[in-house]
Amino acid sequence: KQEVTQIPAALSVPEGENLVLNCSFTDSAIYNLQWFRQDPGKGLTSLLLIQSSQREQTSGRLNASLDKSSGRSTLYIAASQPGDSATYLCAPNSGYALNFGKGTSLLVTP
Amino acid sequence: DARVTQTPRDKVTEMGQEVTMRCQPILGHNTVFWYRQTMMQGLELLAYFRNRAPLDDSGMPKDRFSAEMPDATLATLKIQPSEPRDSAVYFCASGLGQGLGETQYFGPGTRLLVL
Repeated sequence: KQEVTQIPAALSVPEGENLVLNCSFTDSAIYNLQWFRQDPGKGLTSLLLIQSSQREQTSGRLNASLDKSSGRSTLYIAASQPGDSATYLCAPNSGYALNFGKGTSLLVTP
Repeated sequence: DARVTQTPRDKVTEMGQEVTMRCQPILGHNTVFWYRQTMMQGLELLAYFRNRAPLDDSGMPKDRFSAEMPDATLATLKIQPSEPRDSAVYFCASGLGQGLGETQYFGPGTRLLVL
């Protein structure tokens, strides 16, 4: 079974900092990996999807990288803003089911 | 703007009562997923349908949970009888493909509280 670990579990930073969220997974035989954002009491918003053949994917201030062979993905957030405060979830897909990590809870303070 | 819809958004019920949650997948999508989110376990897959056929329900407690797709536009998840440990947020997601890594689009979830 795919095990997904996200580090750190929680992170508090001042506005403007660049930050890195880490995700590791045990089964490297994946089709793709998605990063989601979840606001308190809300659903999941897909941020980025990286196919297994890709190394990076970018959307605005977000950049996600994937090293499939080592079972690692990184979400980089540039110039963080208070509106980025949320929980970020990593989910590799080995077939039909997404396997989620517990998430990184991010707080960006003004 | 195509979206997955779920009803109800919130449900409070008493132990022993039947609970039915509904999901309308994005029109044209052929795969439907039910996930459950709890503080302890995070997000876990409960059931997976492709072309309305249930292909995996191994994540569901068989004695009390059931999932169906009466038609292509409706998926249901039922709990009977409900228990306090079923309190969680239940998400439905849909996709288009053969279950080989296609993108999944999530609904807003149903927040269930069983007293």
